[in-house]
Amino acid sequence: DGGITQSPKYLFRKEGQNVTLSCEQNLNHDAMYWYRQDPGQGLRLIYYSQIVNDFQKGDIAEGYSVSREKKESFPLTVTSAQKNPTAFYLCASSILNSRSGANVLTFGAGSRLTVL
Amino acid sequence: AQRVTQPEKLLSVFKGAPVELKCNYSYSGSPELFWYVQYSRQRLQLLLRHISRESIKGFTADLNKGETSFHLKKPFAQEEDSAMYYCALFIQGAQKLVFGQGTRLTINP
Repeated sequence: DGGITQSPKYLFRKEGQNVTLSCEQNLNHDAMYWYRQDPGQGLRLIYYSQIVNDFQKGDIAEGYSVSREKKESFPLTVTSAQKNPTAFYLCASSILNSRSGANVLTFGAGSRLTVL
Repeated sequence: AQRVTQPEKLLSVFKGAPVELKCNYSYSGSPELFWYVQYSRQRLQLLLRHISRESIKGFTADLNKGETSFHLKKPFAQEEDSAMYYCALFIQGAQKLVFGQGTRLTINP
């Protein structure tokens, strides 16, 4: 079954703790993305990666970190420096193609993080 | 600045009525625009993209470069259209997708 798998689906964290969200894809996609979804604010880009061992900050990268050691994996760590970490986190992937119109994202089911 | 704006957070229409979800963008290059949809308890998924000029589930969207808009339209709304809709702009240089704030569409019976 091809697609993107995010885990865990629900996660609770105490203030001051780091937590890592997993994202794995078996679509052989080049690019992977992390978005944060908050009511009324849409999807905001945290980090993205176009190739293994390289990644770029998105619009709200502060308090987060990522790694891309393998093409199929792009874990996101929410650190204690993130001031408002309670949110729904979405991972996505896509083929990178300069041909216009090919840049379609496939999304995971999401991970809901709650900080107690 | 590269930005996508969806002015309506909530939109409610009756079944059978026309529906239009507004999307405006700000981009200096040639825009590549998409509509994504998230039905209840389902993953966010692509609805349509302007380059394809297609109609999906009765929805269409026309790129108007003069008005920098990409509004989503359907002539006759159905109850199953109730969902969260996001307009998105692909930034060519940075190779990333920027989303609007989203519009929650509710179709009343």
